[in-house]
Amino acid sequence: GEDVEQSLFLSVREGDSSVINCTYTDSSSTYLYWYKQEPGAGLQLLTYIFSNMDMKQDQRLTVLLNKKDKHLSLRIADTQTGDSAIYFCAESTEGTYKYIFGTGTRLKVLA
Amino acid sequence: DGGITQSPKYLFRKEGQNVTLSCEQNLNHDAMYWYRQDPGQGLRLIYYSQIVNDFQKGDIAEGYSVSREKKESFPLTVTSAQKNPTAFYLCASTKTAGRGGELFFGEGSRLTVL
Repeated sequence: GEDVEQSLFLSVREGDSSVINCTYTDSSSTYLYWYKQEPGAGLQLLTYIFSNMDMKQDQRLTVLLNKKDKHLSLRIADTQTGDSAIYFCAESTEGTYKYIFGTGTRLKVLA
Repeated sequence: DGGITQSPKYLFRKEGQNVTLSCEQNLNHDAMYWYRQDPGQGLRLIYYSQIVNDFQKGDIAEGYSVSREKKESFPLTVTSAQKNPTAFYLCASTKTAGRGGELFFGEGSRLTVL
């Protein structure tokens, strides 16, 4: 079945760049997403990319997609303490109801 | 402002009791979802509904029930048959399932079984 995998933890120093990685198995994935979850709250969409794109940039966020390797990454430039949260990778396929989420990566930003 | 409202935010239940979690949206979305979140396991789909009066089981539906009598509302009942109900429950919605649109989430409900 479909699966999305992420590492569980990442720690960076304030001001450095963070790179959160994700791999997925469904080759028919149409949309790939990055969501952010603050403690005790719901998820908020940060950005998304269509499967026919290689890269998308949005202010401090850069998403890279390697469709051949089914690898997605989220780079956060100039990471701030407010970026500390859990980041979820997710995928969905056109025509299906399902959104498949990864386990989430807990990002800790050290001052 | 439009959004999804979940209530209650915290709920304690004794073993053997059913509880109902409320989810209301004013986004005019057709599709609604319930997810369960456990530490280190990501989000697992319990039930989803693509339209009023219709809903489907997700990956972990056993011990849960839902209804979709109104477009805005998708309550989840955690029954006494659910063996390990302590978890964080998230309700979500999107305009139309299958179109890849943004999934909007509520703030979640944390259920603890005593």
